[in-house]
Amino acid sequence: DGGITQSPKYLFRKEGQNVTLSCEQNLNHDAMYWYRQDPGQGLRLIYYSQIVNDFQKGDIAEGYSVSREKKESFPLTVTSAQKNPTAFYLCASSDIKGAGYTFGSGTRLTVV
Amino acid sequence: SQQGEEDPQALSIQEGENATMNCSYKTSINNLQWYRQNSGRGLVHLILIRSNEREKHSGRLRVTLDTSKKSSSLLITASRAADTASYFCATDAAGNYGQNFVFGPGTRLSVLP
Repeated sequence: DGGITQSPKYLFRKEGQNVTLSCEQNLNHDAMYWYRQDPGQGLRLIYYSQIVNDFQKGDIAEGYSVSREKKESFPLTVTSAQKNPTAFYLCASSDIKGAGYTFGSGTRLTVV
Repeated sequence: SQQGEEDPQALSIQEGENATMNCSYKTSINNLQWYRQNSGRGLVHLILIRSNEREKHSGRLRVTLDTSKKSSSLLITASRAADTASYFCATDAAGNYGQNFVFGPGTRLSVLP
């Protein structure tokens, strides 16, 4: 089945650590996105990529980094510079411009 | 910002009733989408409506778009307990094809059995 897979489902980070969230899609979508969702709130865009080897900052990119070396993969690294990383992270992809997004099931990151 | 803003923030209805949620936005758009999110899960795309369309249907869902008022509504008819979820609208700014959609804070719908 085609879809978008995020892993892990739950992730715990110690203070000062970098952690990487995985996002893989087999939908042959060109564009991929990372969003952050805090409790009871909407989604805020962290980074997005429309083609391989290119990505753009979203509204809240500070403390995060991404790469897009393959069309299928768009990993997100939460660096130690992100002071409040506890949140629900959602990855999405889309094909043609303006089409609906397909979302992964999310990764819940908690700082311990 | 063209961010959509859903109204109401929360809605509680009885099973079998209709649920109406509204979305208002600030700038001209190409498309507006509605998504559903069950607690702790990813978002599921429901309907995309383009700026030159006024109404779309999908099963028990009906979406309208009024570009003169910069608003959209999502109607769920004959609601079921399984419709309990948060519903988000997302908009993209006119002229920015391929740019990201901006999501509103959502409406939390509770359908009581």
